[in-house]
Amino acid sequence: KAGVTQTPRYLIKTRGQQVTLSCSPISGHRSVSWYQQTPGQGLQFLFEYFSETQRNKGNFPGRFSGRQFSNSRSEMNVSTLELGDSALYLCASSTIGTVVKTEAFFGQGTRLTVV
Amino acid sequence: AQRVTQPEKLLSVFKGAPVELKCNYSYSGSPELFWYVQYSRQRLQLLLRHISRESIKGFTADLNKGETSFHLKKPFAQEEDSAMYYCALSGRGSSNTGKLIFGQGTTLQVKP
Repeated sequence: KAGVTQTPRYLIKTRGQQVTLSCSPISGHRSVSWYQQTPGQGLQFLFEYFSETQRNKGNFPGRFSGRQFSNSRSEMNVSTLELGDSALYLCASSTIGTVVKTEAFFGQGTRLTVV
Repeated sequence: AQRVTQPEKLLSVFKGAPVELKCNYSYSGSPELFWYVQYSRQRLQLLLRHISRESIKGFTADLNKGETSFHLKKPFAQEEDSAMYYCALSGRGSSNTGKLIFGQGTTLQVKP
């Protein structure tokens, strides 16, 4: 089956602009999580959506937001971009059981560069 | 505080040598522990999880609750093991299972 698909793969934006990234999970997966990966901070959890509801949120400013649609596809938005937002943004999907975590499958990421 | 620490940024060994990638964690409660791997130009993927008690590609990891560690081991390294390895934890319960806390990662370099 198809893996997690993230679009676009690369983006260059100017400070102050906003950006929307998209993630299509594996068919049947209802949980989508987003992570920011930078050389200095590593992989940091942004938020998780499950059945169109945000279930978990990391320690990021309100400029970072997301949503999930009824088909489980998810988008994340970053408003008023700053240079420090330059990063690889990863999306992961999973089926998520009630107690035991199921495997998270990652996309290839969207490389965002803010200039 | 919830934290995963991988003390080594780079671990370089020769082919056939034993490998141990260290991981320590801090978590109030009973976490689930994982090792993820990222080979060059490939996606981040799950290598193994403690709850499965499995050995994948010759790698094993034992959860030591007393030392709060989950070190990854392999008795004989292969060149194809060269990759970035991330230790990660997740909480239990439906409200926590979607969030992974990652360590900073360790680059394993296996020399011929």
